[in-house]
Amino acid sequence: KAGVTQTPRYLIKTRGQQVTLSCSPISGHRSVSWYQQTPGQGLQFLFEYFSETQRNKGNFPGRFSGRQFSNSRSEMNVSTLELGDSALYLCASSWGNPGANVLTFGAGSRLTVL
Amino acid sequence: AQSVTQPDIHITVSEGASLELRCNYSYGATPYLFWYVQSPGQGLQLLLKYFSGDTLVQGIKGFEAEFKRSQSSFNLRKPSVHWSDAAEYFCAVGARGGGNKLTFGTGTQLKVEL
Repeated sequence: KAGVTQTPRYLIKTRGQQVTLSCSPISGHRSVSWYQQTPGQGLQFLFEYFSETQRNKGNFPGRFSGRQFSNSRSEMNVSTLELGDSALYLCASSWGNPGANVLTFGAGSRLTVL
Repeated sequence: AQSVTQPDIHITVSEGASLELRCNYSYGATPYLFWYVQSPGQGLQLLLKYFSGDTLVQGIKGFEAEFKRSQSSFNLRKPSVHWSDAAEYFCAVGARGGGNKLTFGTGTQLKVEL
């Protein structure tokens, strides 16, 4: 059974650009969550989706957005990139309706903003 | 809002020695509790979880953790550490009814001396 797949694994952008990250959950998993990991702030929750609907959102500016498709795949987008957006972005999937389900994480997408 | 404290940023143990990583949480009710491990360049792998019931939970790789409500703690233990256990360990708390949003501690970096 394939795990959570995140693409791209590494990317470099410049300030002001935008970026889209992709996450394919484990087959059969319908819930997808996104987390940002930085040395300064640690692991912080961005948002979660279930059945193409955002169910929960963390405390991030509106430049951070996401969506989920009918096949449960998810994308997150960051617009007008800032240096502080450099981070490892982790996607996690779980099987059911959000609610303390066990999260399986992908390897992450490492974004560097220059 | 819930919070998690991992008091030890770095811990060094000798291979074969016992290990205890500390985790204290703040939450008004009985939380969902997790321990994850992260190897360099990788995502997070679930070691164990506590939802309810027996307060001593067993996980993968020989790890166990004990939920102590009176101390608001969920410490991770292993009787004999292997060199491959060197990694960063994160304690996390989830709120009942809070979906899949987890609040993570700042992590404990474990070094194993041969």
